Amino acid sequence: GAVVSQHPSRVICKSGTSVKIECRSLDFQATTMFWYRQFPKQSLMLMATSNEGSKATYEQGVEKDKFLINHASLTLSTLTVTSAHPEDSSFYICSARGQGVVGNQPQHFGDGTRLSIL
Amino acid sequence: QQQVKQSPQSLIVQKGGISIINCAYENTAFDYFPWYQQFPGKGPALLIAIRPDVSEKKEGRFTISFNKSAKQFSLHIMDSQPGDSATYFCAASNDYKLSFGAGTTVTVRA
Repeated sequence: GAVVSQHPSRVICKSGTSVKIECRSLDFQATTMFWYRQFPKQSLMLMATSNEGSKATYEQGVEKDKFLINHASLTLSTLTVTSAHPEDSSFYICSARGQGVVGNQPQHFGDGTRLSIL
Repeated sequence: QQQVKQSPQSLIVQKGGISIINCAYENTAFDYFPWYQQFPGKGPALLIAIRPDVSEKKEGRFTISFNKSAKQFSLHIMDSQPGDSATYFCAASNDYKLSFGAGTTVTVRA
C-alpha cells in the first residue's frame, strides 16, 4: 500500500519551456502533498506544501510564480516549472501524506523526476 | 539551517557487518522520527520510524535507538548486505513537515 506515482520520470527540454510534473497517490487519499528538490549528493529540500483545494504554502526563497502547484483532488498534485532555465535542472520529488486519526502520518515518496534544461 | 544533524557522511562496511548512522536534533517539539532509504535515481522509501515515547524499535535487520534526553537517535543495520548499499536519511517531524538530515551513503562490500 501507500504508492505514490510521479510522471514523467525524466524530461529534457529547451530553456524557456514550461514543464508539468504530476504526482498521484494510487491507493490512498492524500490530504497533503509535498514537493522537494534534490541536488546531486545532497539532501531533500522542501519547496512547498499543498493541501487539496487550497493554495500551496511555499518555503522561504522558493518563487511561487516560477513553481506553480495545483492540488485539485485528493489523489493528484501537479508542479509546473514555468519558463525553465538551466539552473532549474534538478531532481524533483513529490510525497503524499494520508489522512490520519492520531499523530503524525508518514510521507510516502514518488520516484522523482529528473529535469534537465538545455 | 539543518535542524537534524546526521553522521557519518559515508561509511563502508563488510557484508555481514553492522552499519550505524547517528542523528541529533534540537527542536524538542519533534514527535516523529522516520528513516528513509534512497537508491540512485529513485525517491526515498520509508524504512522504519519511531515516536519519542519508545526507546527502541526493530523491524527485521533494521533497528532505531532513540535517546530522548540526549536528543539523539540512530539506525543500526545488522547483517549488512550488498543490497543495502544506498543513501540513508534520518528525519524529524513536528505536525507534518519533515526536516531531513544530510544523508549517509552506505556501501556494503561483498
